[in-house]
Amino acid sequence: SQQGEEDPQALSIQEGENATMNCSYKTSINNLQWYRQNSGRGLVHLILIRSNEREKHSGRLRVTLDTSKKSSSLLITASRAADTASYFCATYPGGSARQLTFGSGTQLTVLP
Amino acid sequence: KAGVTQTPRYLIKTRGQQVTLSCSPISGHRSVSWYQQTPGQGLQFLFEYFSETQRNKGNFPGRFSGRQFSNSRSEMNVSTLELGDSALYLCASSLSDPTWNEQFFGPGTRLTVL
Repeated sequence: SQQGEEDPQALSIQEGENATMNCSYKTSINNLQWYRQNSGRGLVHLILIRSNEREKHSGRLRVTLDTSKKSSSLLITASRAADTASYFCATYPGGSARQLTFGSGTQLTVLP
Repeated sequence: KAGVTQTPRYLIKTRGQQVTLSCSPISGHRSVSWYQQTPGQGLQFLFEYFSETQRNKGNFPGRFSGRQFSNSRSEMNVSTLELGDSALYLCASSLSDPTWNEQFFGPGTRLTVL
């Protein structure tokens, strides 16, 4: 079963607009990571946020984490056609099960 | 630095056969993880190897196995293939603990079971 669930499942926006994707998870976590996947290819790590952090930035990316609501959001500002991809959150609950659990992903389409 | 490489990129097999997939991690990375990606189940963790030892295992049947060599290269094997094993198999490497460090993914092996 998947720990994280992204919302929305699909998002279509115009180039230059901002895109926001949300991730909800079920159990407490040590950290949460966001990955991008271009169609049928490998994943690319975007950002890792620890459970004691609330917000993190990397270029045009902004990630927030609300552990009380068990949710995270990924904001991509000034989107470009090259941002078209699937975006996944992955959680590490901690403890003996030292593995990442990926969510179902959000398919982002940025129209030129 | 060369990225993570996986071979072969595409594979077609029939039910009942077995298959071996290979992964070469980034130089210096000692942890290799394997994932299965399907449209229905999404990305699921198979197992992780570190210094030739399986350190973590996901919830997959014993038909799925793997190993890691002294040069950190890893192979995964699936025996007695089933139609449901059709998937994109991704390998990822990291310096040490993949739960706290960035993972670098290979392009994947697309396995089709007929």
